Amino acid sequence: GAVVSQHPSRVICKSGTSVKIECRSLDFQATTMFWYRQFPKKSLMLMATSNEGSKATYEQGVEKDKFLINHASLTLSTLTVTSAHPEDSSFYICSARGRAEKLFFGSGTQLSVL
Amino acid sequence: KQEVTQIPAALSVPEGENLVLNCSFTDSAIYNLQWFRQDPGKGLTSLLLIQSSQREQTSGRLNASLDKSSGRSTLYIAASQPGDSATYLCAFNTGKLIFGQGTTLQVKP
Repeated sequence: GAVVSQHPSRVICKSGTSVKIECRSLDFQATTMFWYRQFPKKSLMLMATSNEGSKATYEQGVEKDKFLINHASLTLSTLTVTSAHPEDSSFYICSARGRAEKLFFGSGTQLSVL
Repeated sequence: KQEVTQIPAALSVPEGENLVLNCSFTDSAIYNLQWFRQDPGKGLTSLLLIQSSQREQTSGRLNASLDKSSGRSTLYIAASQPGDSATYLCAFNTGKLIFGQGTTLQVKP
């Protein structure tokens, strides 16, 4: 079956640093990938839609300069949290769109900003 | 505003029991609806996908139904097992996924 690899699974960083999260579709090409954020005991909130070769579309309230998304190939999208602050600590999940509009999810990245 | 509501928020049942998780949504213009499973601190596993033209899908002990007219979907789990303990999320797709807050299920041995 389709597999999406997300790396790293866990990262701890100091406030003010930048963190990059990678999302790869391993056995299929994904022209569209999505990035979600999840606070503890809350639902997933869509942050942005990433389209290969074009600029990402951000949801209302999501700072595009804060959360940089790059989708340079059909199998890789990256999310960079720039100048991270403690309030950015969260669980980030990517997903890639496969056939029949089915989404395949990465295993998530737990970001902790000290 | 599109909303997805899941009831109950939490459920604890003894092993072997059949159970139903409910999901309601406000926007009937959907491509499909998916049910996911999330284990603590983990990503999502897609369980079932129902296209807007379909009424139900089955996979093993799981059965999901979709009633667009009433804006409801149910996930039926037969003969529950402790390994089914997880959070179950429904999400409807209108071009982007809108998630419910999930039902946390605990199946006791």
